[in-house]
This record gives sequence, structure tokens and C-alpha cells, in this order.
Amino acid sequence: ELKVEQNPLFLSMQEGKNYTIYCNYSTTSDRLYWYRQDPGKSLESLFVLLSNGAVKQEGRLMASLDTKARLSTLHITAAVHDLSATYFCAVVTGGGADGLTFGKGTHLIIQP
Amino acid sequence: GAVVSQHPSWVICKSGTSVKIECRSLDFQATTMFWYRQFPKQSLMLMATSNEGSKATYEQGVEKDKFLINHASLTLSTLTVTSAHPEDSSFYICSALPLTGKREAFFGQGTRLTVV
Repeated sequence: ELKVEQNPLFLSMQEGKNYTIYCNYSTTSDRLYWYRQDPGKSLESLFVLLSNGAVKQEGRLMASLDTKARLSTLHITAAVHDLSATYFCAVVTGGGADGLTFGKGTHLIIQP
Repeated sequence: GAVVSQHPSWVICKSGTSVKIECRSLDFQATTMFWYRQFPKQSLMLMATSNEGSKATYEQGVEKDKFLINHASLTLSTLTVTSAHPEDSSFYICSALPLTGKREAFFGQGTRLTVV
């Protein structure tokens, strides 16, 4: 059974600081996703990581993937209040099904 | 970009009644759609995979007779919560996997179900 673990689950940080969210998964997968969710809303796709060593950046967010370690990171640079949200990583369940197994999410609060 | 529309966005129903939620891919075709459930302050859990023209595949622990899924066309899947109870109150989110292009499913805006 595929397990996806995120940490931390809760993070409060100040604007301007840097921080990293970690996502570990238990079995081989060829795709890893990062999503953002605002309260009461659905998911917003941030990144799709397909291969070992993949790195993608969008604004103050950067995601990377190490398939050998089964680890992905989401790095926040010089955080701003607008990035406050819950961030989920998700991995393809496998077996060709394409359904996703999600981590528990990281609730991020960025204080001015 | 690809758009997935869910309807309704929210619904309140009485205990014992049934509720149907629609998931439509507006500008692409999808043979596969997924249904997830999210309880407050929790993660998303895959409930079932909906396949056009065939029976849905349910995840372990999800009652197929309670959560009826129909995927009658390449742009529409429906989830019917039968004989709803307060514990079925949740946020239900669908996603649709395009037939062509990148293998990334696109999410609908979700349906907030409250059973009273």
C-alpha cells in the first residue's frame, strides 16, 4: 500500500523567511504532484514532477524530486502572506490507475 | 486550460435522501474520472475511479451501493450519495483525466455536502 508522508503538518512563519516542506512516499511512482488549497476551495495545481532530479520553479516556490530517495521538497523563498494555504503532495497510486494518494497536507501560515 | 465543472457547489439535504453530484469536463474528453472525499481539516481520499462505459472501481472501504457512480459519456460522471446520513457530510471533489496530452487530471471546484 502506497503511503505518502508530509512534514511538517503545520508551519507558521514570518514574511521574508525561507522554508521547506518535505514529502516522502513509500513505493516507486513515476509522477509526483504538488497542490495548493485555500480554505473552502478545491485544489490548484502547482507542479508536476516526472523524473529523478526534476526541479521546477514558479515565483517563490520551487519543487524538486529525488526518486531514489522517494522524496520531494517544496521550498518557499522569502515568504509572503499570500502564500498562506494548505499544500498537498500527491503520488500516483499505481497499477495504471492514475488515482492519487495524498499526503496529509501542510497548513502554512505566513505572518506579516 | 482544461476546465472541470462540478455541480452543485454546495447542497444541504435531509437524512435518508439521495443526492447527485455531477462532474463535467467542459473542453476535453475523459474516459477516466476520479472521485475524492475530504473531511474538514483532513486530506483527500480517493473513493473511486470512474470509467466511461464500464463499472467504477471502488477503493477499499468505500461502499459501492451507497456511492453510486455513473460515467455515461466522455464528459460526464455522476456520484449519487444514497440514503445520506450526517456522517456523509463532506467535501466531494472530482478530477478528470484527458484522453490525450499530459497524464495529469484536472480537478473540479468541489461540492460541499451537508446532511441534516
